[in-house]
Amino acid sequence: AQSVTQLGSHVSVSEGALVLLRCNYSSSVPPYLFWYVQYPNQGLQLLLKYTSAATLVKGINGFEAEFKKSETSFHLTKPSAHMSDAAEYFCAVSDRAAGNKLTFGGGTRVLVKP
Amino acid sequence: DTAVSQTPKYLVTQMGNDKSIKCEQNLGHDTMYWYKQDSKKFLKIMFSYNNKELIINETVPNRFSPKSPDKAHLNLHINSLELGDSAVYFCASSQDLVETNEQFFGPGTRLTVL
Repeated sequence: AQSVTQLGSHVSVSEGALVLLRCNYSSSVPPYLFWYVQYPNQGLQLLLKYTSAATLVKGINGFEAEFKKSETSFHLTKPSAHMSDAAEYFCAVSDRAAGNKLTFGGGTRVLVKP
Repeated sequence: DTAVSQTPKYLVTQMGNDKSIKCEQNLGHDTMYWYKQDSKKFLKIMFSYNNKELIINETVPNRFSPKSPDKAHLNLHINSLELGDSAVYFCASSQDLVETNEQFFGPGTRLTVL
């Protein structure tokens, strides 16, 4: 079975500082990985996805993530945090053997300090 | 135009009642999902349908019954509601069952069982 672990349930950054959210996966097959963002009282919105093309994936709002097979990681970064980045972030893996269901990590809440 | 919509947005009800949550997507997608997000923000798949056919049925109590009258709708009916059913329920859709396809999420329905 596939699984995803997000290290750190809360991350606090200063505005303008680097945002780094960690995601590690476990999969017996090459994974397809996603990062979603959830703003307060809203649904999830796709930030970016890895589908075995380029290992460095660029997404919306200045976010990017790098797939590292040797480390089984797919960490999300943004060079300079903005107040509007305050949200919950979820890493997920798609299970091709189970109808494309997404298995999510526990989420990381990002707080941006002025 | 809203891509994936859910009604109601909030649902407060007593234990033992039966309730339904409706979901509609206007994206022309073939596949729809229900996810449950608990109070700790953990997200878990419940069901998925592809072209009105049940694809995923996770270990969900049989008090939960999804119904897909057509490809654009996937409703969730819950019988004999329990306190533990309190959560946010998200509907999502994707173009088809290809595992690299993005899932589009609705705004969620916050269910509170008293």
